[in-house]
Amino acid sequence: KAGVTQTPRYLIKTRGQQVTLSCSPISGHRSVSWYQQTPGQGLQFLFEYFSETQRNKGNFPGRFSGRQFSNSRSEMNVSTLELGDSALYLCASSLTPSGAVNTGELFFGEGSRLTVL
Amino acid sequence: GDSVTQMEGPVTLSEEAFLTINCTYTATGYPSLFWYVQYPGEGLQLLLKATKADDKGSNKGFEATYRKETTSFHLEKGSVQVSDSAVYFCALKSIQGAQKLVFGQGTRLTINP
Repeated sequence: KAGVTQTPRYLIKTRGQQVTLSCSPISGHRSVSWYQQTPGQGLQFLFEYFSETQRNKGNFPGRFSGRQFSNSRSEMNVSTLELGDSALYLCASSLTPSGAVNTGELFFGEGSRLTVL
Repeated sequence: GDSVTQMEGPVTLSEEAFLTINCTYTATGYPSLFWYVQYPGEGLQLLLKATKADDKGSNKGFEATYRKETTSFHLEKGSVQVSDSAVYFCALKSIQGAQKLVFGQGTRLTINP
């Protein structure tokens, strides 16, 4: 069973540009969540999608957006990039919004490492 | 709001030493608790979990017990190996609300041979 796949794995952008990251969840999983990981702030929740609907959003500016397609694949977009957006962006999937057997288990991808110059 | 506090790292131990990484939490009600591990260059992997008070999660020689009275979920292993070198994250998920994990800051563990 294939795991969560994120593309691209690494990318470099300059300030002011925009970026789109992609996430393919485990087959059958309908919930996709995104997290930002930085050395200073640790792991922070960005947003969660289930059945193409955003269910929750973290405390990030409107430059951060996402969407989910009918096949459960998800994309997140960051516009007008800033230096502080440099981070590892992690995608996680689960069967339902409540997670596996209501335990909240998430399955993470390897992440997309974004560097903003 | 919900929060998780982990012991600060980095932690460096010799092979076969005993490991404890402390984790305490603040949350409404009785959340589910997790330990995730991140190996270099990889994403997070679930190490173990506990969903109710006094539950003990265990995996790969690691254990953690859900202690409601002390709001803690400390990670332990009796004899660490070099391959255990990684960053360990304690996390909680509230029983209310949507699919969102609240993570601690992470503890970097290095095991020397």
